[in-house]
Amino acid sequence: DQQVKQNSPSLSVQEGRISILNCDYTNSMFDYFLWYKKYPAEGPTFLISISSIKDKNEDGRFTVFLNKSAKHLSLHIVPSQPGDSAVYFCAASGGYGQNFVFGPGTRLSVLP
Amino acid sequence: KAGVTQTPRYLIKTRGQQVTLSCSPISGHRSVSWYQQTPGQGLQFLFEYFSETQRNKGNFPGRFSGRQFSNSRSEMNVSTLELGDSALYLCASSLMGDEQYFGPGTRLTVT
Repeated sequence: DQQVKQNSPSLSVQEGRISILNCDYTNSMFDYFLWYKKYPAEGPTFLISISSIKDKNEDGRFTVFLNKSAKHLSLHIVPSQPGDSAVYFCAASGGYGQNFVFGPGTRLSVLP
Repeated sequence: KAGVTQTPRYLIKTRGQQVTLSCSPISGHRSVSWYQQTPGQGLQFLFEYFSETQRNKGNFPGRFSGRQFSNSRSEMNVSTLELGDSALYLCASSLMGDEQYFGPGTRLTVT
């Protein structure tokens, strides 16, 4: 029973275009969300977070949107660069002291 | 500031043996979490330690155990290894359980 789902195992985008990675969750108690990027043979790297009191958070080329009623969040990368090619994980937590539940990941390929 | 370090990076063990993995968190971080990543699976949460106490535990058998020392360093132990335990084991540290910073992982192969 996956509480955090990333229904697209892979995504290909042209360099310079927007990449949109989606994440859905089932547990309505989740109120803190993180996105990570992972290259092969490395640990995941923290990208951006959002808490349930906000519906949008931006950091440079990365923007995360949260739709609590739909239990859906998305990560937008604009413009996409070849170095963004990696596996992206979303993770959710019920708040302080709660562990994070990770999605299965989406492999993003940015084509030059 | 130094990142999260994990030792060893690679390990080959035989079925039935036991193994201990080590994780040194970022200085000042009090929370250490362990995850298992296998092909096709996301990161599966094993357990979290905060100030030497296990605060959260995932759905893994009792063969998987851990501990945290007073300097926040953590160890994970797997006893009676099975072939299915072959995976990348990731450790992550955080200040209070918020944004987690991951180490490079230990690749365990059980033959």
